[in-house]
Amino acid sequence: DAGVTQSPTHLIKTRGQQVTLRCSPKSGHDTVSWYQQALGQGPQFIFQYYEEEERQRGNFPDRFSGHQFPNYSSELNVNALLLGDSALYLCASSWGGQIYEQYFGPGTRLTVT
Amino acid sequence: QKEVEQNSGPLSVPEGAIASLNCTYSDRVSQSFFWYRQYSGKSPELIMSIYSNGDKEDGRFTAQLNKASQYVSLLIRDSQPSDSATYLCAASTDSWGKFQFGAGTQVVVTP
Repeated sequence: DAGVTQSPTHLIKTRGQQVTLRCSPKSGHDTVSWYQQALGQGPQFIFQYYEEEERQRGNFPDRFSGHQFPNYSSELNVNALLLGDSALYLCASSWGGQIYEQYFGPGTRLTVT
Repeated sequence: QKEVEQNSGPLSVPEGAIASLNCTYSDRVSQSFFWYRQYSGKSPELIMSIYSNGDKEDGRFTAQLNKASQYVSLLIRDSQPSDSATYLCAASTDSWGKFQFGAGTQVVVTP
């Protein structure tokens, strides 16, 4: 039973560039939520995708966008990268649009220079 | 004011003792509360969820919820060195709601 997977593991980008992060949910899950975790902080909710639509969104600018594919996998896109976007990006999957039983992936460490 | 607040620690606990972690939340409509454990460099893993006032026990872990005081806590009994991690408190308004995490409390269990 495959758990949540994310790619890439690490990424270094330059300020102003664009980045795409990928997530495959746990087998049987159809809901994907994305979080940003800065060093020493708790995860901050970015948005949630269910049935290929963005269902919930946190306090993040439009530079952060996403997509969910028919196979339930998801992408997080960040445009016009800022130094402050450097963080661990976590994907969590769950079932049926609910968030009670979320399983987190290993994360993607993004460094913006 | 942050919606979910925790003491950052570190909380130093002797092996075998009880670790007590506290969390307060500001949104009165929060209904569901969760404790996650996060080892350094790893992703969070769910250890407890609690939805009703009172205590909920699972092995060495006990979660306590008091909605009137907007307070949730986690007790770790017989603390082991493997319990050394950051413990994250999270709250949500409903099953479709946004998850709000606290900044986490670092626990260090000393042999």
